[in-house]
Amino acid sequence: EDQVTQSPEALRLQEGESSSLNCSYTVSGLRGLFWYRQDPGKGPEFLFTLYSAGEEKEKERLKATLTKKESFLHITAPKPEDSATYLCAVQIGCLIRNKLVFGAGTILRVKS
Amino acid sequence: DAGVIQSPRHEVTEMGQEVTLRCKPISGHNSLFWYRQTMMRGLELLIYFNNNVPIDDSGMPEDRFSAKMPNASFSTLKIQPSEPRDSAVYFCASSFSPRWETQYFGPGTRLLVL
Repeated sequence: EDQVTQSPEALRLQEGESSSLNCSYTVSGLRGLFWYRQDPGKGPEFLFTLYSAGEEKEKERLKATLTKKESFLHITAPKPEDSATYLCAVQIGCLIRNKLVFGAGTILRVKS
Repeated sequence: DAGVIQSPRHEVTEMGQEVTLRCKPISGHNSLFWYRQTMMRGLELLIYFNNNVPIDDSGMPEDRFSAKMPNASFSTLKIQPSEPRDSAVYFCASSFSPRWETQYFGPGTRLLVL
């Protein structure tokens, strides 16, 4: 069964304290791995897509990396405004019949 | 651009009642997705449409759930009859054809079935 596991479930950081979120997956036919940010009361917002092992993407204080079995979202010197739930999803399937399978998310709180 | 519009934003109903959720995708997008989010199960894809045609409805939990997309600017998700376990936040998202990385989510409808 296709499965996406995120850890930790929740993470509290002090402002400026760098850390990483983990997304591990067991799927057949991975076509892409996606990271989203979700603020309370809102829908998820797209951050990154990674397609192959070794690939990295960066946006401000966030950097996403991908290996054959997992992905990491590194947060460098976080600020309180980075507080949100971070969701990981894997794209499976073929051609037009593909879909995203989401992990449960990591709730990040950054205190000033 | 107004983004994806969902209505109602909140819905409280009693078990057994029919519930209809509505979605207006971003103009020009030709793929539309319905998701459900709960604490227990996280975010789950229920169904998605491409050019108004349902492509994959394998996530629809049971026959009580149905979705339609009569035209490119409107979709509905209907639950009949509703049950307490249907309580969740339902999101609609739209994109170009179906490009997951260009998928934009609406604000969601928070449904509570008593």
